[in-house]
Amino acid sequence: DAGVTQSPTHLIKTRGQQVTLRCSPKSGHDTVSWYQQALGQGPQFIFQYYEEEERQRGNFPDRFSGHQFPNYSSELNVNALLLGDSALYLCASSTRNRGREKLFFGSGTQLSVL
Amino acid sequence: DAKTTQPNSMESNEEEPVHLPCNHSTISGTDYIHWYRQLPSQGPEYVIHGLTSNVNNRMASLAIAEDRKSSTLILHRATLRDAAVYYCILRDVRSGGGADGLTFGKGTHLIIQP
Repeated sequence: DAGVTQSPTHLIKTRGQQVTLRCSPKSGHDTVSWYQQALGQGPQFIFQYYEEEERQRGNFPDRFSGHQFPNYSSELNVNALLLGDSALYLCASSTRNRGREKLFFGSGTQLSVL
Repeated sequence: DAKTTQPNSMESNEEEPVHLPCNHSTISGTDYIHWYRQLPSQGPEYVIHGLTSNVNNRMASLAIAEDRKSSTLILHRATLRDAAVYYCILRDVRSGGGADGLTFGKGTHLIIQP
């Protein structure tokens, strides 16, 4: 059983460009969340998708958007990239269960903005 | 979510027990205590969670203070593979929709000496 898979593993972009990151959740999971992790910091919650809709959002600007597909996979899009967007982007999947569910994380996409 | 406080780093010897503390003095009655760890170059990994009673699983034990204002993650016999950043996180069981975003702090960087 494959866990959470993310692609690509590494990406280099320049300021002002747009980027799309992809995530396939663990088999049986229907909820996908995205996190940004800057160097030396803990992951920060970006948003969560369930039933193809954004259900909750962290403190991130509208440049960050996402999508969830009928097969539960998800994409994270970032427009007008800034140098400060350089980070590890993590995808986590889970099932809906109040407060008790485990999140399973992928290994992330390392984004470098030059 | 309520805030947690953890030491920045801890050091232990291989094959000895490790006690990782977490303070959460503002915890509410509906907050679960979750622990995740992040090994180098990987996404966070679920370790354990509990509400009021102490919990054990194959990875670790979680000891929760009677007033629930603090907890301790116990690794019974640390190995070099346990070297990671350990995050203590509170999750409200009443959170809208259940599977809401996790609020990570900086965690505790656990160093294991051979």
